[in-house]
Amino acid sequence: AQSVTQLGSHVSVSEGALVLLRCNYSSSVPPYLFWYVQYPNQGLQLLLKYTTGATLVKGINGFEAEFKKSETSFHLTKPSAHMSDAAEYFCAVSLTGGYNKLIFGAGTRLAVHP
Amino acid sequence: DAGITQSPRHKVTETGTPVTLRCHQTENHRYMYWYRQDPGHGLRLIHYSYGVKDTDKGEVSDGYSVSRSKTEDFLLTLESATSSQTSVYFCAIFSGGRPGQTGELFFGEGSRLTVL
Repeated sequence: AQSVTQLGSHVSVSEGALVLLRCNYSSSVPPYLFWYVQYPNQGLQLLLKYTTGATLVKGINGFEAEFKKSETSFHLTKPSAHMSDAAEYFCAVSLTGGYNKLIFGAGTRLAVHP
Repeated sequence: DAGITQSPRHKVTETGTPVTLRCHQTENHRYMYWYRQDPGHGLRLIHYSYGVKDTDKGEVSDGYSVSRSKTEDFLLTLESATSSQTSVYFCAIFSGGRPGQTGELFFGEGSRLTVL
């Protein structure tokens, strides 16, 4: 069965530091991959997605992620953290190319301190 | 903003009582979804709909039923609520074409349900 693993339920960085949130998936077929962000008391918002084509995907708010098939990974990065980046981040995978069976990771809560 | 409204936003109920959560959308999207969010589990799909009166089960559908009698409303019902159904429930719609094409899920703001 497909699954998504996010390493680290909590990540803390200093403002201006690199943000790295890890996501690994299991799949026997080419996946569609997503990163979502959730701010307190809100729903999820799409940060970026990989479907086909270029493996380095750029999203909103300066985030990007790279699909590495050999490592079955889709890690999320941002060169310089901002206080407003503090939120919970979810990696998700869809094996069908659609959204009917979107599988989410458990989430990583990002804290940014001055 | 995809015009999604969830109601109620907060509800406290007792074990064994029926509960219905409503998801209302204003943009005529065909695909709608109900997820539950629990710490350590992320979001898990309960049920989804691909049209009026067309629904299917997700990965955690036991204890839940849904109905979609018109495009704009997707109802989630707990026939007899249990404490294990205490959760935050999110409705989502798919915008951008049929699933399988690039598009985006838009989420509502959630309904927090507490079952005592």
